[in-house]
Amino acid sequence: DIQMTQSPASLSASLGETVTIECLASEDIYSNLAWYQQKPGKSPQLLIYYANSLNDGVPSRFSGSGSGTQYSLKINSLQSEDVSIYFCQQNYDSPWTFGGGTKLELK
Amino acid sequence: EVQLVESGGGLVKPGASLKLSCVASGFTFSDYWMSWVRQTPGKTMEWIGDIKYDGSYTNYAPSLKNRFTISRDNAKSTLYLQMSNVRSEDTATYYCTRWTTVATSYFDYWGQGVMVTVSS
Repeated sequence: DIQMTQSPASLSASLGETVTIECLASEDIYSNLAWYQQKPGKSPQLLIYYANSLNDGVPSRFSGSGSGTQYSLKINSLQSEDVSIYFCQQNYDSPWTFGGGTKLELK
Repeated sequence: EVQLVESGGGLVKPGASLKLSCVASGFTFSDYWMSWVRQTPGKTMEWIGDIKYDGSYTNYAPSLKNRFTISRDNAKSTLYLQMSNVRSEDTATYYCTRWTTVATSYFDYWGQGVMVTVSS
């Protein structure tokens, strides 16, 4: 199985700040990576697919990048509604696996 | 508007069986692969398995394939998850998801989730 290691596990940031969440795959996943946002008490929602493609309706302050085994999610100008848990997920090889999640809170 | 509505969760005893359902609307159900994903109380996400749009093929997480079965009824736009011989570690929120596969793949829509608690 491909292991997905996310960092940090938790993050505290101020409004307007830029934050970056990292995801490391145990092998090359050729950009087959998605990011999901889970707001408190809600279901996960797709943010980004294929490492850097923004899903419809997702604000442009979110961006994804990376290749090979290393990927990142960047949030520019943090807003209060961005308080969530963020997950990465590889869809290169079954079983599809998720990172452990990053809990983003406001400072 | 795409909607996925799960049902069938609850409190079950270890060793029992349980069947979850997910009714889909807002898209042509028979055109899409579908999946089940679960989230533990500690927020860990685990893919359970998926099923081809016509129901002819299923793929499971190796650790679950002997106890969990995914099926679908396209006439009813409904996805199912049959859970057998449940264990305490199956306690989780279970999500029905649409699995979109074009060049790459991703879970583009999620249901609201249904809680399953396994306890004696």
